[in-house]
Amino acid sequence: QKEVEQNSGPLSVPEGAIASLNCTYSDRGSQSFFWYRQYSGKSPELIMFIYSNGDKEDGRFTAQLNKASQYVSLLIRDSQPSDSATYLCAVIFSGGYNKLIFGAGTRLAVHP
Amino acid sequence: ETGVTQTPRHLVMGMTNKKSLKCEQHLGHNAMYWYKQSAKKPLELMFVYNFKEQTENNSVPSRFSPECPNSSHLFLHLHTLQPEDSALYLCASSPPRIGGDTEAFFGQGTRLTVV
Repeated sequence: QKEVEQNSGPLSVPEGAIASLNCTYSDRGSQSFFWYRQYSGKSPELIMFIYSNGDKEDGRFTAQLNKASQYVSLLIRDSQPSDSATYLCAVIFSGGYNKLIFGAGTRLAVHP
Repeated sequence: ETGVTQTPRHLVMGMTNKKSLKCEQHLGHNAMYWYKQSAKKPLELMFVYNFKEQTENNSVPSRFSPECPNSSHLFLHLHTLQPEDSALYLCASSPPRIGGDTEAFFGQGTRLTVV
């Protein structure tokens, strides 16, 4: 079983729509969850992090965490063509020192 | 600018060469990471250092040799690489234990091509 799983996509949404990106993780004890955005040829940049169950909103982005289901998602409202990128889910696995593990990423394409 | 600096940004090396990648941060972080990102593949964790001590080696071949002389600097020494080692190598740093409003920062990466 992969440690952090994401649908590779591409996820295609029209401009102005809500894009929903999903991620599941295997380590039940994980406490820290991150969403990164990566444009082609660039390094990942942090969009949001979430530690508590429920929703966390930041502008057009909402992260949702459900630890019981080992599931974390990212919603992008009013999607723009500039949001087209690969979105990476990352999890700090529990126990001892930090170990930041990434999913394979979901490619999002927002078309005008 | 994330505060994590990687050099060089691009590197072309032959299979018999020896080169080093450098990562530097002055964010006060004590955990540093090396990741490899090959074309159309996910980020692969290679090494983790916490407080200058290696805490993770993800079955990386010995032709990759990390060095962490202090909490601000991380190196990746390369020797006798193979063409399939061509990839984007990313360094990241984070506080020692993540919780609350903390995050991990990435450098810009080194694009390595082995010829």
